[in-house]
Amino acid sequence: DTEVTQTPKHLVMGMTNKKSLKCEQHMGHRAMYWYKQKAKKPPELMFVYSYEKLSINESVPSRFSPECPNSSLLNLHLHALQPEDSALYLCASSQLTGVRTGELFFGEGSRLTVL
Amino acid sequence: AQSVTQLDSQVPVFEEAPVELRCNYSSSVSVYLFWYVQYPNQGLQLLLKYLSGSTLVKGINGFEAEFNKSQTSFHLRKPSVHISDTAEYFCAVSDFRGSNYKLTFGKGTLLTVNP
Repeated sequence: DTEVTQTPKHLVMGMTNKKSLKCEQHMGHRAMYWYKQKAKKPPELMFVYSYEKLSINESVPSRFSPECPNSSLLNLHLHALQPEDSALYLCASSQLTGVRTGELFFGEGSRLTVL
Repeated sequence: AQSVTQLDSQVPVFEEAPVELRCNYSSSVSVYLFWYVQYPNQGLQLLLKYLSGSTLVKGINGFEAEFNKSQTSFHLRKPSVHISDTAEYFCAVSDFRGSNYKLTFGKGTLLTVNP
């Protein structure tokens, strides 16, 4: 059982819709991540939050807007997406040294389809 | 920037056969290497990691990997695979950029275990 919970598991949206992906962890981790994974490709880092502050933005288009309201929650707000944004969006968390130690805990992902 | 190369995109094997999934990394002064596994329709799970010390690293589910500095390799091995080992396997490297560490994945190797 994963300790990182993502909702919804599946999301279908039109290009004019506004939706949000949610991620929650209760492991006391202070770093949280969003990754994007296209089919048969490796995950690609989008954003990193450390102590609820955005610390890495990998030049992600502004139609993706992350938010970290508290140490347990991470949201990804979606607006005016394109069909090529269809992918599996993975949330992960770690202790702050987690990236060096590799101890990232991943959720099962939210599969997004943009029509 | 650090990178990893997974030499095989697909590896088919029969049940109870040994398997080796190959990974090479770009050379650096210090390197932290990991193997993650992704079962169908799931997130990623850490299999094992190399940070320092013994070059033979043991992980979960009977997997092990050997860090070879002279060959810049970190190959994953299992002496006898099961049907349940069918999954995508990602080699990853931790890279320090600016003020943050970043985990970068290889392209993945699909291990298919046949009866």
